[in-house]
Amino acid sequence: AQSVAQPEDQVNVAEGNPLTVKCTYSVSGNPYLFWYVQYPNRGLQFLLKYITGDNLVKGSYGFEAEFNKSQTSFHLKKPSALVSDSALYFCAVGVNTGKLIFGQGTTLQVKP
Amino acid sequence: DSGVTQTPKHLITATGQRVTLRCSPRSGDLSVYWYQQSLDQGLQFLIQYYNGEERAKGNILERFSAQQFPDLHSELNLSSLELGDSALYFCASSPDLRANTGELFFGEGSRLTVL
Repeated sequence: AQSVAQPEDQVNVAEGNPLTVKCTYSVSGNPYLFWYVQYPNRGLQFLLKYITGDNLVKGSYGFEAEFNKSQTSFHLKKPSALVSDSALYFCAVGVNTGKLIFGQGTTLQVKP
Repeated sequence: DSGVTQTPKHLITATGQRVTLRCSPRSGDLSVYWYQQSLDQGLQFLIQYYNGEERAKGNILERFSAQQFPDLHSELNLSSLELGDSALYFCASSPDLRANTGELFFGEGSRLTVL
């Protein structure tokens, strides 16, 4: 079965420090991987995706993600966190039926 | 603003009742997806329509149904409501049939509370 896991319910970082939000996946075939962000009382917003090509993918708001095939991971990163980055982050994998399967989400808390 | 409109934003109803949630996709998008977000289940895919036809089904209960109309708006019907149906229901749209390669555009959701 195809799935995606976000092992941390919450990640806490200080403003200005680098952040990492972890995601691992399990799919048959080539993975299509995504990160979305959800701010309070809002819908999900697309951050970035990996379909093929460079393992380091750059996205919106200074975020990037690193695809690691051997570790089946797709961790979200940012060199310097902002308080405004505090939100709920979802990793998702696209499966061959065309739909997206989302992880449980990780709450990012950036403290000043 | 994603361009996806969902109504109503909030809805409070009683057990056993029926409600209809409405979604207008982004202009030009042919695919509409419905997701349920709850604290214990996370974000669960319910169903997808593409240009009026059902194309994929997820964890959708038999008490729930959906349709996509010729103008491409979609409705999610929830009947015989139970307390456990209380959740945030999201609609998302995309221009393509398959969500696994492109971006989904999400509405702001309809929060359903069943008392």
